[in-house]
Amino acid sequence: AQSVTQPDIHITVSEGASLELRCNYSYGATPYLFWYVQSPGQGLQLLLKYFSGDTLVQGIKGFEAEFKRSQSSFNLRKPSVHWSDAAEYFCAVAFTGGFKTIFGAGTRLFVKA
Amino acid sequence: DGGITQSPKYLFRKEGQNVTLSCEQNLNHDAMYWYRQDPGQGLRLIYYSQIVNDFQKGDIAEGYSVSREKKESFPLTVTSAQKNPTAFYLCASSIEETGGTKNIQYFGAGTRLSVL
Repeated sequence: AQSVTQPDIHITVSEGASLELRCNYSYGATPYLFWYVQSPGQGLQLLLKYFSGDTLVQGIKGFEAEFKRSQSSFNLRKPSVHWSDAAEYFCAVAFTGGFKTIFGAGTRLFVKA
Repeated sequence: DGGITQSPKYLFRKEGQNVTLSCEQNLNHDAMYWYRQDPGQGLRLIYYSQIVNDFQKGDIAEGYSVSREKKESFPLTVTSAQKNPTAFYLCASSIEETGGTKNIQYFGAGTRLSVL
């Protein structure tokens, strides 16, 4: 069955430090890949997406993600974290020809001063 | 500004009561979705609709019902058959296009439902 795994339930980083959030998926072909961010009590906002082509994609708020087909991964990175980045981050996959999107369980990011 | 409006923000349900969560969008999107969010479980799909007057069950449809009489509106009813309704409910929409663009979802701010 198709699935999305975010191995880290929560991560704490210092402000100004780099960040990497992990995401692995299980699917027979290359899916469409997404990262969303959710602030407390709010809906989700799209950070970035990968459909095809260049495997390193840039998103909003200084985030980037790299698709690695051999590892079935789509990790999210940011070189320098700001306190305002504290939120929950969801990796999501969708499959060609389908409407359904599968979300990971989320990783909550804490930023310490 | 275009977007998705969910109301109310907070809702309380008594035992045996049906409650309806509102979702309205002015993005002119064809597809709309309802998700349930529980801590540590991510988002689970309840129902989705690709077009007016048509909708399909998602992964956890039992105890819920929907209607899609207008393109802009996709209300969700939590029925008394849903024994554990306490959760955060999110409505989303997406544009009907080929390729992955149709899977980009735009979310409302959510409704938090609690049982009295």
